[in-house]
Amino acid sequence: QQQVKQSPQSLIVQKGGISIINCAYENTAFDYFPWYQQFPGKGPALLIAIRPDVSEKKEGRFTISFNKSAKQFSLHIMDSQPGDSATYFCAASKDFGNEKLTFGTGTRLTIIP
Amino acid sequence: DAGVIQSPRHEVTEMGQEVTLRCKPISGHDYLFWYRQTMMRGLELLIYFNNNVPIDDSGMPEDRFSAKMPNASFSTLKIQPSEPRDSAVYFCASSATGDNQPQHFGDGTRLSIL
Repeated sequence: QQQVKQSPQSLIVQKGGISIINCAYENTAFDYFPWYQQFPGKGPALLIAIRPDVSEKKEGRFTISFNKSAKQFSLHIMDSQPGDSATYFCAASKDFGNEKLTFGTGTRLTIIP
Repeated sequence: DAGVIQSPRHEVTEMGQEVTLRCKPISGHDYLFWYRQTMMRGLELLIYFNNNVPIDDSGMPEDRFSAKMPNASFSTLKIQPSEPRDSAVYFCASSATGDNQPQHFGDGTRLSIL
């Protein structure tokens, strides 16, 4: 049973544009929602994370929007740059991250000049 | 900070051979996770440990897979006998106890079973 659904599978955005990746979850016990970024040949690395007591969190060009009632959250990358080209994974966990993460299936983002 | 260290980075072996993947977590981290990544199935959690004790091994595909953590600074994932369908990138990650603690991933072992 896939508990975290991620879309789109792949995304091409022009440099300077906004990249948007969406995730939906089913388990209302989840209380920690991180996004991980993975470059080829490397392991995933934490990009930004949010807890359900806030609706938005921003760090530089990266913003998470969270809709608790709809059980959805999304990653927005403003002013997308070629260096942002990577695979992005959303994830969810219970107990504020002290339990295992359930990952989405990933989005391969390509930023074109 | 050395990060999570995995070895080997690449492993190519023939079907039926035993494969051992190794992981050194970040010092002071209480949790250790083993993942498998494939194009078809994405990133799957195989097993995780807390304070060297296995907590959840429900993701281990079958009895051919086993994982151990004999001490806080070392873990192994063993496949015996290996099969071509085990070909994947295997990641180890570690994290500290506490709210919102991120998992830190190693660079993975790319395993090819011929």
